Formats: sequence, structure tokens, C-alpha cells
Amino acid sequence: DAKTTQPTSMDCAEGRAANLPCNHSTISGNEYVYWYRQIHSQGPQYIIHGLKNNETNEMASLIITEDRKSSTLILPHATLRDTAVYYCIAETGANSKLTFGKGITLSVRP
Amino acid sequence: GAVVSQHPSWVICKSGTSVKIECRSLDFQATTMFWYRQFPKQSLMLMATSNEGSKATYEQGVEKDKFLINHASLTLSTLTVTSAHPEDSSFYICSARRRVKETQYFGPGTRLLVL
Repeated sequence: DAKTTQPTSMDCAEGRAANLPCNHSTISGNEYVYWYRQIHSQGPQYIIHGLKNNETNEMASLIITEDRKSSTLILPHATLRDTAVYYCIAETGANSKLTFGKGITLSVRP
Repeated sequence: GAVVSQHPSWVICKSGTSVKIECRSLDFQATTMFWYRQFPKQSLMLMATSNEGSKATYEQGVEKDKFLINHASLTLSTLTVTSAHPEDSSFYICSARRRVKETQYFGPGTRLLVL
């Protein structure tokens, strides 16, 4: 699976959009980009995934660049409950392994 | 949505005893379940992958005789930590997926403290 790199941390104001970047410059054509988040002392929560096209669901939007070397997770209206570690993972879906890096710690401030 | 539960949510045991953790997929049948471990301030590390009805596949460095995994049905996998020691104290998390190429959904985790 391709390695992903994320900033260590970021913060945003409550009610504003949170844009979380992820680089995956070595991603292969059959690897999806998955986003999970982990709120303190809980199991990871699935957010969204995509292959080429931008995706949106009730939680977030995923914007993937045309060359697929990077992506951005957008939380349109961040709340305090969105404070968590967010993991960006590239995985084929056929592989058993979800390789978790350090993720990015998002702090939403009041 | 896909719901995965774990039981117990936390457990304290004495050194040398064995502890069993259950992972259940509540609203779907999981052909594959995964077991992860997370130490404080670290990321999740995959321990093993279990497919229903077959032996688990362990990651390098994970002792299969110490961490026994059983996936006897499409909704239940168990992890037994045998002869637990304080260094086994950790947060154990399972995940499950219906089939290949489908999303993994995680349980809430089990916190194990070995005294």
C-alpha cells in the first residue's frame, strides 16, 4: 500500500470548514483513499473513501486531485465533537491491511 | 450503518491469567475480521487477520500461541490473550468487513490492564 503523509496537527474554529490534507504521491491506480478518525479512547470511525472522483456523504467531502497524488478531507461545519485524530490511508481494498500512520490531530476550538 | 461491538470494554486481570475478548458484527456478516493493538500515544498496529472458518494470519512479531484468534462464525471473532503479562496491557480493537474490497468497520475497543 502507498505511504501517506499528513501534517501533525491543525486547528479550526467551530462552525468553520476544516480542510485536512493528505499526500499520497506513490499511490497506484487501484488504491483507494480512505479516511478514518479516532476520537480519544474509542475505535476508529469510518468517514469516507474514494478512488478518482470526489465523494460526499453526510459526514464529509473528499476531494482527490486529478493526478491522485493528494487529497483533502473537508468537514464543512466543524463542531467540538469533530476533535480527533484523522487518518488518511491508501489501500486497494483487496489487501487485508489498513496501515495506520500517525494521522493528523484536528482540534476544533470554540 | 455497519455496527461492530466488543466485549468487554475494559478488563483488569492478574499476570499469568488468560483474557478473552469478543468482537461481533451486529448487522452484517463479516467474512473477515481484524485485530489491532494500540499502545498509548501510538497508532494502531495490525496484529492478525481472521477469515471465517480458517486459521488466522498473524503479522510479523505477533506470537500466535500467545494471542489466540478464533473466527467460528460470520458474526463473531474472539481474541484470547494467554498468560497475560503487564506488557500486554493495551487497547485492543477489532474491525470487520463483509467481503474483499468493502470497508472495514471498527469496534469500540477493549482496554486491557494486566497487573
